[in-house]
Amino acid sequence: SQTIHQWPATLVQPVGSPLSLECTVEGTSNPNLYWYRQAAGRGLQLLFYSVGIGQISSEVPQNLSASRPQDRQFILSSKKLLLSDSGFYLCAWSGNTGELFFGEGSRLTVL
Amino acid sequence: AQSVTQPDIHITVSEGASLELRCNYSYGATPYLFWYVQSPGQGLQLLLKYFSGDTLVQGIKGFEAEFKRSQSSFNLRKPSVHWSDAAEYFCAVGAGTGNQFYFGTGTSLTVIP
Repeated sequence: SQTIHQWPATLVQPVGSPLSLECTVEGTSNPNLYWYRQAAGRGLQLLFYSVGIGQISSEVPQNLSASRPQDRQFILSSKKLLLSDSGFYLCAWSGNTGELFFGEGSRLTVL
Repeated sequence: AQSVTQPDIHITVSEGASLELRCNYSYGATPYLFWYVQSPGQGLQLLLKYFSGDTLVQGIKGFEAEFKRSQSSFNLRKPSVHWSDAAEYFCAVGAGTGNQFYFGTGTSLTVIP
């Protein structure tokens, strides 16, 4: 069966520090991969999606970036965090069944 | 433009009462429709999906949803709510095997004893 994991689950970082959130999918190949952000009390904002290794599409201009170094690995990064980057980050994947499957989420607090 | 609207930000129901969460969408092609549930601090879990066929779909945890093309709606229902149903509910539309999904802003459900 397919599984998705993301880490770390919780992260507290100072303003201006770097960020790396990782996500891996198991049990499937060539998935579409996504990073969403969920601000407190708000819906989901699509940040990045990827249809293959090295192929990244950005939905919202910001100081975040994403990379897909391997087929089932998706990384969300920042060189310098802003206060506004605080939120709940969700990795997700989709395949040929048409629905999205989400990871457990990563809570980022920027102080 | 594609969009999903959940007009109810917050709903409170009594345990045992029936529930209906509203969802309206705008989508240029035949939509693939989803309902997800999110407990605090966790990821989203798929409740049910509609791709084609019978417009009344059954999901997990006793939920069902009905696709009404004429109203561009996909409302979620449950005949008798349990306290454990308290959570955030998201409606979404997608292109099936494509790579675009659009989410509503969510409806927060509170269940009172």
